[in-house]
Amino acid sequence: ETGVTQTPRHLVMGMTNKKSLKCEQHLGHNAMYWYKQSAKKPLELMFVYSLEERVENNSVPSRFSPECPNSSHLFLHLHTLQPEDSALYLCASSLGTGLGGYTFGSGTRLTVV
Amino acid sequence: KQEVTQIPAALSVPEGENLVLNCSFTDSAIYNLQWFRQDPGKGLTSLLLIQSSQREQTSGRLNASLDKSSGRSTLYIAASQPGDSATYLCAVAPLRDDKIIFGKGTRLHILP
Repeated sequence: ETGVTQTPRHLVMGMTNKKSLKCEQHLGHNAMYWYKQSAKKPLELMFVYSLEERVENNSVPSRFSPECPNSSHLFLHLHTLQPEDSALYLCASSLGTGLGGYTFGSGTRLTVV
Repeated sequence: KQEVTQIPAALSVPEGENLVLNCSFTDSAIYNLQWFRQDPGKGLTSLLLIQSSQREQTSGRLNASLDKSSGRSTLYIAASQPGDSATYLCAVAPLRDDKIIFGKGTRLHILP
């Protein structure tokens, strides 16, 4: 384990389903991030949270809804997804935004059918 | 706007060779630079983190250098092994931004 734990590791969902991805860190970090990585594409930053407040939303469709109830947990709620949303979703944390030194989780491989 | 470039995009070398991966960035105003490794379909594993005041960091067979003034970093891998095959990503933390900027990575294949 890297210090950042993501569950589930794999998820298959239909376009009408609602599911959630979970990320947990106990590194004492104050910033958490969601990234999307599609096949053969670079990492795309989706959301940034600092001290449980969302500080960045990179034009992500509303069918992705993040939630950060405390500095150790981050969720990504999914509903009415499209097949093109199939990707590897990665969570990361850092001591603070702007300080670098990211720790990533192992990711959730999402397939939308 | 900070841009990060990694050259080459892909590299194949025989096992046992020493190799160098390159990373360049356009704005020298950085907080630190981080090298990651990513295996196919997996998350990113941090290899080395170099603060802006440092010139290099070492971990086992890996050595990363940083020349901030010229906007360059190199990742040196000694005595390469097939298990080193992966994509290597470089990321900089700009002083004037609250998120790190990634290069597109170098896909490394070590031939047995």
